[in-house]
Amino acid sequence: GQQVMQIPQYQHVQEGEDFTTYCNSSTTLSNIQWYKQRPGGHPVFLIQLVKSGEVKKQKRLTFQFGEAKKNSSLHITATQTTDVGTYFCARPPYSSASKIIFGSGTRLSIRP
Amino acid sequence: DVKVTQSSRYLVKRTGEKVFLECVQDMDHENMFWYRQDPGLGLRLIYFSYDVKMKEKGDIPEGYSVSREKKERFSLILESASTNQTSMYLCASCGGSNTGELFFGEGSRLTVL
Repeated sequence: GQQVMQIPQYQHVQEGEDFTTYCNSSTTLSNIQWYKQRPGGHPVFLIQLVKSGEVKKQKRLTFQFGEAKKNSSLHITATQTTDVGTYFCARPPYSSASKIIFGSGTRLSIRP
Repeated sequence: DVKVTQSSRYLVKRTGEKVFLECVQDMDHENMFWYRQDPGLGLRLIYFSYDVKMKEKGDIPEGYSVSREKKERFSLILESASTNQTSMYLCASCGGSNTGELFFGEGSRLTVL
């Protein structure tokens, strides 16, 4: 099928520790997106990865797209309380008439 | 600033009532989506629309219908609300290319009693 699997489902870390969430697809992806949803909020777009092996950074966040374009990861270095939320990967539509598929999300909580 | 506006943040309805959830976007986007979000189940697609008067079923369309009479507006309709439709409903839109980012509304939390 066209599922996008995301692990782990939950992660509870001490403030300052690192955090990683992984996204895996059964099919090759043309590109992949990442979203963040704060508690009580709505998902907000973070980034899109397009190229095989691509690595992009946003301050303490590092996004990777696998060489085979079947997996992706989001790594946060030295977590802060502002990082709390649920992180989703998403496979954009292949065409304007197809749907966007979301991973199940990883919920990050942080001990101060 | 781009904007997706959902008509109601919170609604409380009774079982059997007809419920309309409205969503308007001001970005001239072709694609619009309705998701529901429940704890532990992530974002589940109910319906989407890629053009005016066009609609496609998502993963969980049962019990719902949609209307897209104008490009900027996408309505979700619960013909006869049931308690298992108590949920957070999120509307989103994106442009016509296959790499467009999704813009979400603030969400509508529906409680069916």
